[in-house]
Amino acid sequence: DSGVTQTPKHLITATGQRVTLRCSPRSGDLSVYWYQQSLDQGLQFLIQYYNGEERAKGNILERFSAQQFPDLHSELNLSSLELGDSALYFCASSPRQDPTDTQYFGPGTRLTVL
Amino acid sequence: AQSVTQLGSHVSVSEGALVLLRCNYSSSVPPYLFWYVQYPNQGLQLLLKYTTGATLVKGINGFEAEFKKSETSFHLTKPSAHMSDAAEYFCAVSGFTGGGNKLTFGTGTQLKVEL
Repeated sequence: DSGVTQTPKHLITATGQRVTLRCSPRSGDLSVYWYQQSLDQGLQFLIQYYNGEERAKGNILERFSAQQFPDLHSELNLSSLELGDSALYFCASSPRQDPTDTQYFGPGTRLTVL
Repeated sequence: AQSVTQLGSHVSVSEGALVLLRCNYSSSVPPYLFWYVQYPNQGLQLLLKYTTGATLVKGINGFEAEFKKSETSFHLTKPSAHMSDAAEYFCAVSGFTGGGNKLTFGTGTQLKVEL
């Protein structure tokens, strides 16, 4: 158990819909990262937050947005969903925003868009 | 931009045999390198990492990796494979991006352990 929790575990929805994925970091960790894992794209970095502020952006679509709240939990919002958004979405956390820090991964949310 | 390349998307070994999973990196600055393991329907778990210092890094479950700058490699090894080692393994490089940092992953190597 990494200490990072993600809800829900599974999500099935239809094209055009909007969903929210939730992540609670390990106690004391200030950085939260979101990654997408799909068969065709592999593991891709989406976005990073540090202590409530957005710090780095990767291959995140404009239809996707995220935020980190004062209690440090984070949410990833996916809207106007397409079939190609079906993937496993991971949240990770680390103590600081230092590239030498280990990122601890949650169990993931499996999103299926029908 | 930093990247890692994992050679061999599937590797099969016999139980008790040497495990060797290959990873080469590309980086214009000294790299920080990681190996993660993913068991079916689970998240990623850190096996080991190299940041600075000793180039031979020991990790969990008997795995180790050696950072070789001259070969731009960070191959993962285990002397004797166990059935429980069957999983997908990801090499990653960590670096600054914008005002933050991120992991850039390789495409993964699926390890199969046969009796």
